Amino acid sequence: NAGVTQTPKFRVLKTGQSMTLLCAQDMNHEYMYWYRQDPGMGLRLIHYSVGEGTTAKGEVPDGYNVSRLKKQNFLLGLESAAPSQTSVYFCASSQARGGETQYFGPGTRLLVL
Amino acid sequence: SQQGEEDPQALSIQEGENATMNCSYKTSINNLQWYRQNSGRGLVHLILIRSNEREKHSGRLRVTLDTSKKSSSLLITASRAADTASYFCATAPGGGADGLTFGKGTHLIIQP
Repeated sequence: NAGVTQTPKFRVLKTGQSMTLLCAQDMNHEYMYWYRQDPGMGLRLIHYSVGEGTTAKGEVPDGYNVSRLKKQNFLLGLESAAPSQTSVYFCASSQARGGETQYFGPGTRLLVL
Repeated sequence: SQQGEEDPQALSIQEGENATMNCSYKTSINNLQWYRQNSGRGLVHLILIRSNEREKHSGRLRVTLDTSKKSSSLLITASRAADTASYFCATAPGGGADGLTFGKGTHLIIQP
């Protein structure tokens, strides 16, 4: 039981490049989330999904897109990376709605030059 | 926006002492949770307290919630070097909305 895994662990991009971050969970959770964490800050919600085929915007969605084609996977895409997107990205999943306990992946460090 | 705000931002104590962290929030909540983050790692859930609960225990952790003051505290008793980490409170808004809103965290250092 791996829990929540994220790929890649670290990536360097140039401004304008695109990339996709992959999150996978093996707990059969319905709900999945993408957060970003900047230095000295707590986590901020980017997008989330309440089930396969659904997505919704969080607090800071601009510049990101997401897809949930399979229940166990949640993809975060950056179409045209900007230096302001330099951050650590965390994926999380939960079984229940309404902000119940979330299980986090180890994070992806992204540096945009 | 940051819903929860932890206080203090940083705390350094001797091993064996108790550590207390506080969290204040702004709007009504369904529940409040505390998470720990070791340096460079993901967050680990510690404890969840619901809006109709006042106190909860889990091992060396004690959490209180005062909804009238919109505040919570996390007490770690008999601290250990392994407790060195950042601690975040996270609130779940009332009404069943999704996602958690995190504070900026308290960085706890346990001196051996």
